[in-house]
Amino acid sequence: EADIYQTPRYLVIGTGKKITLECSQTMGHDKMYWYQQDPGMELHLIHYSYGVNSTEKGDLSSESTVSRIRTEHFPLTLESARPSHTSQYLCASSEGRGRGNNQPQHFGDGTRLSIL
Amino acid sequence: QKEVEQDPGPLSVPEGAIVSLNCTYSNSAFQYFMWYRQYSRKGPELLMYTYSSGNKEDGRFTAQVDKSSKYISLFIRDSQPSDSATYLCAMTTDSWGKLQFGAGTQVVVTP
Repeated sequence: EADIYQTPRYLVIGTGKKITLECSQTMGHDKMYWYQQDPGMELHLIHYSYGVNSTEKGDLSSESTVSRIRTEHFPLTLESARPSHTSQYLCASSEGRGRGNNQPQHFGDGTRLSIL
Repeated sequence: QKEVEQDPGPLSVPEGAIVSLNCTYSNSAFQYFMWYRQYSRKGPELLMYTYSSGNKEDGRFTAQVDKSSKYISLFIRDSQPSDSATYLCAMTTDSWGKLQFGAGTQVVVTP
């Protein structure tokens, strides 16, 4: 079973604040992903990484940024939060190296973010 | 038009019944197909993972893929109240692992 942890689980914060959502996995997976999920809507990929020092933007445009300095850690940062950033953010990881080798993704329990 | 279509439900069934879920898709390049279960306020949990067409069974769960019709299904036998959740289909091409998700079907199993 995948072990992937996200903190905080819930965050309510005011506009203009800098926010970092944490994501860690203990499986040594090279690939990691960030998704945004709104109620009744499909998950949208906002960032992904193939490995250390590799980050790319996903399909959904996002003002957030990510970093991948260590294999197990993939934090997401919002420099100045706005109400439009209110959503659930899900982190995932999968085995395999490079662009192919499609192993299934395993998800954390998400961070529910509310910007006032 | 969305690449992956999934009826949002809710789908309400009595305990013990068979739950039938499906997704249709438009991209013929999709090769890998997954079903996830998501409980309220939790992340998606992988249930089934299949490659190309055919059937796969795991306990009470059966996944079917019909690539000619661009249609995938998940069946849950002997449904339990603990099966009440939102079920998400997801799929990807052969090139890399970027998933396209359906919006999810909410299932309610009543005792």
